[in-house]
Amino acid sequence: DTEVTQTPKHLVMGMTNKKSLKCEQHMGHRAMYWYKQKAKKPPELMFVYSYEKLSINESVPSRFSPECPNSSLLNLHLHALQPEDSALYLCASSQGWTDSDTQYFGPGTRLTVL
Amino acid sequence: AQTVTQSQPEMSVQEAETVTLSCTYDTSESDYYLFWYKQPPSRQMILVIRQEAYKQQNATENRFSVNFQKAAKSFSLKISDSQLGDAAMYFCAYRSPYSGNTPLVFGKGTRLSVIA
Repeated sequence: DTEVTQTPKHLVMGMTNKKSLKCEQHMGHRAMYWYKQKAKKPPELMFVYSYEKLSINESVPSRFSPECPNSSLLNLHLHALQPEDSALYLCASSQGWTDSDTQYFGPGTRLTVL
Repeated sequence: AQTVTQSQPEMSVQEAETVTLSCTYDTSESDYYLFWYKQPPSRQMILVIRQEAYKQQNATENRFSVNFQKAAKSFSLKISDSQLGDAAMYFCAYRSPYSGNTPLVFGKGTRLSVIA
């Protein structure tokens, strides 16, 4: 089973709203990732959570904040977003402890900021 | 820093025919992992095939196979007996091996159309 689930599938929010994206995996993976993907572009890494340690892409603005309540859940909290933040947000997970790690992706959340 | 280049923004293939997607990469590392991911219109990124650089044998998964040329830093994907469901964006990706949470470096992708 290589399933990563994400909710919601679609989200429309205003610039003053606060919302959260949720990602869950039950594969016992210890590393989880958030990627942002604009149309016709490859995914760009935003955050990595591995063994309770957070690694941040320094170009990601503070209006995005990840939270890892437990090893199978990774949330992405959104606050005061801008229209240019509209994109597909992909979550992925991997075992996190092997050299031959493979990342498995969820179906994504399509975010529109008005 | 590693880079991945996919020189074909778009490709098309007749149903049941064979197509090859190109990927080259640049790295100074001797050990690494290479991946092909498929992203259909449904948006989910699906792993197609994986290659470990220390393995000389080319990886295969059913109709999908790679031609891995380490010296040339080339990693092309061959799709045999193409099916309509193969239509998607294909991304080539590179990962360093040194810890389990190193990020994937993606190419810009190749959009594959399958013609009935």
